[in-house]
Amino acid sequence: GAVVSQHPSWVICKSGTSVKIECRSLDFQATTMFWYRQFPKQSLMLMATSNEGSKATYEQGVEKDKFLINHASLTLSTLTVTSAHPEDSSFYICSARDRGYYEQYFGPGTRLTVT
Amino acid sequence: GEDVEQSLFLSVREGDSSVINCTYTDSSSTYLYWYKQEPGAGLQLLTYIFSNMDMKQDQRLTVLLNKKDKHLSLRIADTQTGDSAIYFCAERNGGGYQKVTFGTGTKLQVIP
Repeated sequence: GAVVSQHPSWVICKSGTSVKIECRSLDFQATTMFWYRQFPKQSLMLMATSNEGSKATYEQGVEKDKFLINHASLTLSTLTVTSAHPEDSSFYICSARDRGYYEQYFGPGTRLTVT
Repeated sequence: GEDVEQSLFLSVREGDSSVINCTYTDSSSTYLYWYKQEPGAGLQLLTYIFSNMDMKQDQRLTVLLNKKDKHLSLRIADTQTGDSAIYFCAERNGGGYQKVTFGTGTKLQVIP
């Protein structure tokens, strides 16, 4: 089956620094990728949707200047958390979908802790 | 916007059937999904159903969809301790990006 990987799986950073998370589709072309965040014991909240080669569409309340999303190729999307603060600590999950297919494949998630 | 609701917690005895319920508001849903998430892990797609179907069975899993009432359920037959996890329902809308909205999640506890 289709596989989506994320790197790193966990990261600890200091407040004020930036962190980049990668999401890769390993064996299919991901025309659309999604970024979610999940707080402990809560559901997944969609942050943004990106189509390859175009700007991401952010959900209401998500700061696009803080959460930079790049979907430069059909197999890679990156999420950069800029000037991270402790409240940005969360579990970030990406998913990828090929055009026309029903299934959305999820990555294993990246746990970000900002100290 | 879209809203997907689930009860927060369900406890069943091993060997019994579990039924997890979900309601949604989006009338343009195209697909509805059930995902399983174990502690500290990502999401695993369990099953899905097209919005024009009313039932789908896949081994121990049975999905029922009442489109009129916008109600989705997941029945797990012969529940095992390995089924303990959080179960999310999700709906994919028919809009431009066809985004997927997740429910609040139901924590299933299986008692041996």
